[in-house]
Amino acid sequence: QKEVEQNSGPLSVPEGAIASLNCTYSDRGSQSFFWYRQYSGKSPELIMSIYSNGDKEDGRFTAQLNKASQYVSLLIRDSQPSDSATYLCAVNINDYKLSFGAGTTVTVRA
Amino acid sequence: NAGVTQTPKFQVLKTGQSMTLQCAQDMNHNSMYWYRQDPGMGLRLIYYSASEGTTDKGEVPNGYNVSRLNKREFSLRLESAAPSQTSVYFCASSEAAYSAEQYFGPGTRLTVT
Repeated sequence: QKEVEQNSGPLSVPEGAIASLNCTYSDRGSQSFFWYRQYSGKSPELIMSIYSNGDKEDGRFTAQLNKASQYVSLLIRDSQPSDSATYLCAVNINDYKLSFGAGTTVTVRA
Repeated sequence: NAGVTQTPKFQVLKTGQSMTLQCAQDMNHNSMYWYRQDPGMGLRLIYYSASEGTTDKGEVPNGYNVSRLNKREFSLRLESAAPSQTSVYFCASSEAAYSAEQYFGPGTRLTVT
């Protein structure tokens, strides 16, 4: 079983809609969870971090964490063409190391 | 601040050649990491350095060596390149021990023929 699993997509949403990305993880001891955005040919960029159960909002992004279900999600509201990218879920597997999912590619169509 | 910088941006090697990828950060971070990214496989950790003077193996260390030259610099060496090492290599850093928010450099695209 992979440590972090994401739907590979691609996920296509119309402009202005909500994009919903899901991620599950295997290590019950994980405490830190991150979402990175990666544009084609570029490096990953940290966009959200979440450490406790519930929702965390930052602008049009909302991260949701449910440790009991070992599930973390990212919602992108009012999706824009500039949101078209691959989104990587990352989970800490010890104090220093992150395990990354393979990523979900999002395409926002105008 | 430049953040995390990497050199070179692109490199083509022949099988058996060696090279060193350079990484430097100006954020005064303690921990540094080397990853490789291959299509469909996400980011995989090669080596990491939790603090200056320490290095540890990650998920895919075979064929690589690292040096934490000082707090700012962390290099990755391929002693005898193989086609399986064709990949995009990213260096990353994080602020302190127990901080897992990592910040990435622009990457090195390596092709081994």
